[in-house]
Amino acid sequence: EPEVTQTPSHQVTQMGQEVILRCVPISNHLYFYWYRQILGQKVEFLVSFYNNEISEKSEIFDDQFSVERPDGSNFTLKIRSTKLEDSAMYFCASQQGVHSYEQYFGPGTRLTVT
Amino acid sequence: AQTVTQSQPEMSVQEAETVTLSCTYDTSESDYYLFWYKQPPSRQMILVIRQEAYKQQNATENRFSVNFQKAAKSFSLKISDSQLGDAAMYFCAYRRVMYSGGGADGLTFGKGTHLIIQP
Repeated sequence: EPEVTQTPSHQVTQMGQEVILRCVPISNHLYFYWYRQILGQKVEFLVSFYNNEISEKSEIFDDQFSVERPDGSNFTLKIRSTKLEDSAMYFCASQQGVHSYEQYFGPGTRLTVT
Repeated sequence: AQTVTQSQPEMSVQEAETVTLSCTYDTSESDYYLFWYKQPPSRQMILVIRQEAYKQQNATENRFSVNFQKAAKSFSLKISDSQLGDAAMYFCAYRRVMYSGGGADGLTFGKGTHLIIQP
């Protein structure tokens, strides 16, 4: 069964450094999402991406964040200058089409900022 | 803006018993989806069950069923014959229906309910 994959599974970085989190969505899916879950808290929507551009973004998704689909398979989330409060689990999800109800989640990347 | 509220931070149930997890939501939309996701200790998000708001019939998936009360904006999850493998965080989530040319909304999640299964 096709699945969403994410790399790395765990990333440790120093405050102020740039990080890139990578996702490979399911191949025939058209909509892509990033979510964040700070430890012990709820999952929060960051951004959605469709047709090679951002479709929607939340208040959390400020100028330090960016997303890209550099080729036909990868979908990346870049954090330019990490802060301690960026430590969280980051989930990628993909959805087949506009009438699809299910978003398929990847296993997540745990980001630790020290 | 839509909100999702789960008022039970933690629930405990004996193995083989039935448990109900509560969820309420607030929205001005008439077309939307509601979901229950399970998050085991591995932290993978797993879809348990979904409900389309236009459907009056409550969704069921094997031992999992929902009680969807649209007027009351309530969406509870019932787990029958609880098993040890059901132990996890359960998140209620909302998403409005997408239309061609519209935005791709993300899911709005509640804070979750930690379900403990007592052997």
